[in-house]
Formats: sequence, structure tokens, C-alpha cells
Amino acid sequence: DAKTTQPNSMESNEEEPVHLPCNHSTISGTDYIHWYRQLPSQGPEYVIHGLTSNVNNRMASLAIAEDRKSSTLILHRATLRDAAVYYCILRDSGGANNLFFGTGTRLTVIP
Amino acid sequence: EPEVTQTPSHQVTQMGQEVILRCVPISNHLYFYWYRQILGQKVEFLVSFYNNEISEKSEIFDDQFSVERPDGSNFTLKIRSTKLEDSAMYFCASRGLVVGEQYFGPGTRLTVT
Repeated sequence: DAKTTQPNSMESNEEEPVHLPCNHSTISGTDYIHWYRQLPSQGPEYVIHGLTSNVNNRMASLAIAEDRKSSTLILHRATLRDAAVYYCILRDSGGANNLFFGTGTRLTVIP
Repeated sequence: EPEVTQTPSHQVTQMGQEVILRCVPISNHLYFYWYRQILGQKVEFLVSFYNNEISEKSEIFDDQFSVERPDGSNFTLKIRSTKLEDSAMYFCASRGLVVGEQYFGPGTRLTVT
């Protein structure tokens, strides 16, 4: 599986935007970029995914670089509930689409 | 909103005993998964299941593990002879046909003593 690189931790002030980066320089043409998060003591939660174009949903936005070697998850206004570990995962569209989690970025939101 | 449920929330067992962890995936989903997370470590893929058979499994999923979908709603993970190192949080997940959106349950904490 193609590897992703994320910072171990980031901090944000409450109600400010957060940009969580992910590098995936070995991404293949058929790899989707997925983002999941894990709140404390909970199971992972789907956030967003994309292939080439930027994507928006009710939780976040995903900005994908033109060469697809990096992406950024954008939380427009961080809340205390957004404190979690965020995972950037690459998966091919075929097969069962199993997820292989890395260590992710631990986001701390400061009130 | 539909959700994946798992029972029990916490299971304590003695080494060498068999355990069955239960999951009820979202009703119209087609793909089912088990993952585990040892305390303080990353989430690890165990197995995926589609069309009543295993699609893929990891190296962790050895002969001591098995999965079953005994009826139209439950999805189970059985560990035949538990070891201390099987102590972990076990997460069930399911998805429909949409690529990417796996829905995870709240997990079962397995403690092997």
C-alpha cells in the first residue's frame, strides 16, 4: 500500500480553521485519498474522501494538490469535539477497500 | 441515522478460552470488516468479508481467528484459543457500494487474563 506521511500532532484554537496536511508522493493513479478520525475512546469515523478534485461535505473540505502527491484536510471552524486523531489513508478503488491506518495526526483544540 | 452495533462492549476471558465478538452491520451494506487496536497503538486491519466469504485477511488473522455471517444481520469474529496478546479493542465496520465510507462500530474491549 502507498505510504502517507502526517505530522504527529497539531494544535488549533477553538473556532479557527485547521489545515491538516498529508504527503503521499507514491500515490498511484487509481488511489483514492481517504480521511478518517478517531475521537477518544471511539471507533474510527469517516470524514471525507476524494480522487482528484477538491471535495466538500458537512464535516470538512479536502484540498488535493494538482500532482496528487499531497492533500490537506480543512476543518473550517474547529470545535472541542474535533479533538481527535486524524488519519490520511490511500486505497485503490477495487477490491474490498480495506483500510490500513498509520499513526495519524493528533489534533488538540484549545478553548 | 443507521449505525453499526457491537456486543459485548467489554469481554474478559481467560487465556485459552474461546470468545465470540458480535456485530450488527448496517442493514443494506455488503462489505464487512474486523479491525483491532491494541492499547496505545494504531488500528490494524484483520479481515474483510463479502458475498459470504473472506475477501482479504492480514497476517494477524491466523488459524485461531474465524468470521461468520450466520444470518442476515449478524457478523461475528471468533477467536478459538485466546492469548494474552489478543487483548485489544476490536472494531467491526461495514460499507455499501460507495468507495471509502466505512462505518465503524463502537468496539468491543477484549481483555485476556
